[in-house]
Amino acid sequence: GDSVTQMEGPVTLSEEAFLTINCTYTATGYPSLFWYVQYPGEGLQLLLKATKADDKGSNKGFEATYRKETTSFHLEKGSVQVSDSAVYFCALSAFGSNYQLIWGAGTKLIIKP
Amino acid sequence: NAGVTQTPKFRVLKTGQSMTLLCAQDMNHEYMYWYRQDPGMGLRLIHYSVGEGTTAKGEVPDGYNVSRLKKQNFLLGLESAAPSQTSVYFCASSQPGNPPYEQYFGPGTRLTVT
Repeated sequence: GDSVTQMEGPVTLSEEAFLTINCTYTATGYPSLFWYVQYPGEGLQLLLKATKADDKGSNKGFEATYRKETTSFHLEKGSVQVSDSAVYFCALSAFGSNYQLIWGAGTKLIIKP
Repeated sequence: NAGVTQTPKFRVLKTGQSMTLLCAQDMNHEYMYWYRQDPGMGLRLIHYSVGEGTTAKGEVPDGYNVSRLKKQNFLLGLESAAPSQTSVYFCASSQPGNPPYEQYFGPGTRLTVT
């Protein structure tokens, strides 16, 4: 079945460091891909999305490119801030999952000043 | 436009008690979902609904019931609470049709069963 695998956390970085959180997927057909963010004590918010190969989603300085050849959707940011500390979830929506969201386990990001 | 709201925000139950969590959305979405999130873990789908009057089981439905009598509301019930149901519960909604089927989330209900 469809699945999403994320790198395990926590990931701890210093402010202004470069961030990569890996996400790979298995799905039938052409899934849509998402990154959601959950700040401490809050619900999940959509951070960015991509619906077809080579699409790049971007928001708040974060980017992720839909790579069909490597079935990946890695999240990147050039210079992280303390306020980026949160849990990041990769997810997909595909025909094989009846268009429900299939979630990764989440990656906790800790940014130290 | 409030989006997705959840009531209550916090609740403490004793084992065996019952309660209902309410989710409301004002985006006229067809699909609604209930998830639970345990500490340090991702989301697990409990039940979902693809329209008024319809519900379906998700990954972890046991011990929960749901109802969708009105399009904008989705209720999650616990008939006899157990400590294993201590969790944070999130409601979400989405609109079918064209991809990407993104879901919009409420702020969560933190439930503790003692």
